[in-house]
Amino acid sequence: DIQMTQSPSFVSASVGDRVTITCRASQGINNWLAWYQQKPGKAPKLLIYAASSLQSGVPSRFSGSRSGTDFTLTISSLQPEDFATYYCQQANGFPYTFGGGTKVEMK
Amino acid sequence: QEQLVESGGGLVKPGGSLRLSCAASGFTFSGYSMSWIRQAPGKGLEWISYINGRSTFTKQADSVKSRFTISRDNSKSSLYLQMNSLRAEDTAVYYCVRVWGDSDEGFDIWGQGTMVTVSS
Repeated sequence: DIQMTQSPSFVSASVGDRVTITCRASQGINNWLAWYQQKPGKAPKLLIYAASSLQSGVPSRFSGSRSGTDFTLTISSLQPEDFATYYCQQANGFPYTFGGGTKVEMK
Repeated sequence: QEQLVESGGGLVKPGGSLRLSCAASGFTFSGYSMSWIRQAPGKGLEWISYINGRSTFTKQADSVKSRFTISRDNSKSSLYLQMNSLRAEDTAVYYCVRVWGDSDEGFDIWGQGTMVTVSS
């Protein structure tokens, strides 16, 4: 199985900050990587697919990139509604696996 | 609008069975592969099951293989998860999700989730 290692587990940040979350795949997955946002008590929401493609309706302050087996989710200017937990997910093959999550908290 | 609504969760004893249902609306259900994803309390996300649009291909995670069965009825726009031999570690919120993209790029529509608690 492909392991997805997400870091950091927690981020303490303020409104307006630039936030970067990293996900490392245990083997090559090309661009088959998605990012999700989950707020407490709610279902996750797809933000980015294919490593860097923004899902329809997602604000442009969210972006994704890839370098080899390392993937990055960047929030360019953190907004109040962005405090949430973020997960990466590899879509390269079964079993689809998720990273452990990164909780973005208010500083 | 595009929507998924799960039902069938509840409290069940270890070794028991439960059948989850998911009603889809607002899109052509038969045109999409579907999956079940679960989240144990306070934990991360775990993909557990997948079925393609015509039910010709299914896949399960090792953690549920031979115990859980995914199925669908396109005439009813419904997805199901039959769960047998339930264990305490199956306790989780179970999400019905739509698989998005020609190459399964992600999960774009999620239900609200249904809680399954396995306890004596």
